Amino acid sequence: GAGVSQSPSNKVTEKGKDVELRCDPISGHTALYWYRQSLGQGLEFLIYFQGNSAPDKSGLPSDRFSAERTGGSVSTLTIQRTQQEDSAVYLCASSLFSGGSYNEQFFGPGTRLTVL
Amino acid sequence: KQEVTQIPAALSVPEGENLVLNCSFTDSAIYNLQWFRQDPGKGLTSLLLIQSSQREQTSGRLNASLDKSSGRSTLYIAASQPGDSATYLCAVRQASGGYNKLIFGAGTRLAVHP
Repeated sequence: GAGVSQSPSNKVTEKGKDVELRCDPISGHTALYWYRQSLGQGLEFLIYFQGNSAPDKSGLPSDRFSAERTGGSVSTLTIQRTQQEDSAVYLCASSLFSGGSYNEQFFGPGTRLTVL
Repeated sequence: KQEVTQIPAALSVPEGENLVLNCSFTDSAIYNLQWFRQDPGKGLTSLLLIQSSQREQTSGRLNASLDKSSGRSTLYIAASQPGDSATYLCAVRQASGGYNKLIFGAGTRLAVHP
């Protein structure tokens, strides 16, 4: 595809339910990132995938959050037992990682999650 | 801990003005700095990326400068247009100890009125 795509664009769920958010990065981009944008918190890093390396999970706020990246392409962010404070826009980004250099990050449109 | 600050938080100007948006960061050991715009309800659009070894980058009416030693970057918008109205975010990538992520400022909300 031409850019990073995310689905769903909006998700409303009840407190305590599990949700899955999907990200399709730009074809050929080996690096994939998840960020969260919430009111009053700005944009914060969640997790990073690079090729076959172990992901950098340092930004995940709790063990209710997990993510995987299958086949080095599509990624799924899962939030278990959602809480109201999980309400935010979840943004995915991808970039090339070539020759040991980090390149420009391109962002998807985001998934707006509302936990009732 | 790296902190990124953007000033002003909001700006409202008439069409045609030249603008300067400011971004400062506390730790000068950065790998690169990236400017984005975000329209309401949308994702981020990358505007310019400046590597730590560079002093400036230009794209159309946009010019971004970087002074790494003083921990500052500016985004210059020439001849502003109503279509420039958006939130502008700067983000830095650390050179070490967390270089896998971007650290964002809170943004400058720009309104350009006809």
